[in-house]
Amino acid sequence: QVVLTQSPSASASLGASVKLTCTLTSGHSTYTIAWHQQQPEKGPRYLMKVNSDGSHSKGDGIPDRFSGSSSGAERYLTISSLQSEDEADYYCQTWGTGIQVFGGGTKLTVL
Amino acid sequence: QVQLVESGGGVVQPGRSLRLSCAASGFTFTTYGMHWVRQAPGKGLERVAIISYDGGNEYYADSVKGRFTISRDNSKNTLYLQMNSLRTEDTAVYYCAKEGGVKVTVGSYFDYWGQGTLVTVSS
Repeated sequence: QVVLTQSPSASASLGASVKLTCTLTSGHSTYTIAWHQQQPEKGPRYLMKVNSDGSHSKGDGIPDRFSGSSSGAERYLTISSLQSEDEADYYCQTWGTGIQVFGGGTKLTVL
Repeated sequence: QVQLVESGGGVVQPGRSLRLSCAASGFTFTTYGMHWVRQAPGKGLERVAIISYDGGNEYYADSVKGRFTISRDNSKNTLYLQMNSLRTEDTAVYYCAKEGGVKVTVGSYFDYWGQGTLVTVSS
């Protein structure tokens, strides 16, 4: 059974960049994952899919400041030129037939 | 544009029932699998149930199996979640979500979410 691991928290300064990590369990390093953003008191919003080769495809209206990449069993979400509205929880997701798996989420604080 | 609007949440006593609805628009509802995902207060996302685009396959989290039933009415572009024998631990915001792939049979990511509806199970 695949498990996704995320650090509980991260922080970075306004205008800086931050790289969030989602780690797949051993044996599942080829899985594609999706990143979702959840701003306070709102429903989640799809950001992008990230493949094992590092290619990614973003959702509608997602700014260029958001990008994805991969290395081995790790999938990354990089946010550049941080803005106050980027302060949110970020979840990774993967899937299979009849299966949906979420990471525990990373709470990003913009300083 | 794609819209998913949940309704039907509220306060209910343990052991009682509730039915949630998710009205979908802006896409061809009949060609996408749909999901219910919940989020307990202060917690992360938890999958609840999945239904395939044609309604032929359903999957449930172990925590709700035998108590919850997912269904869809493709003529009304509406997704449902019938929740019976509710427990206090079912208290959460319930989101419906649309799969990103067309007529997928091997699972998919979500590309759109609703705004959620709050279910509170309390005596």
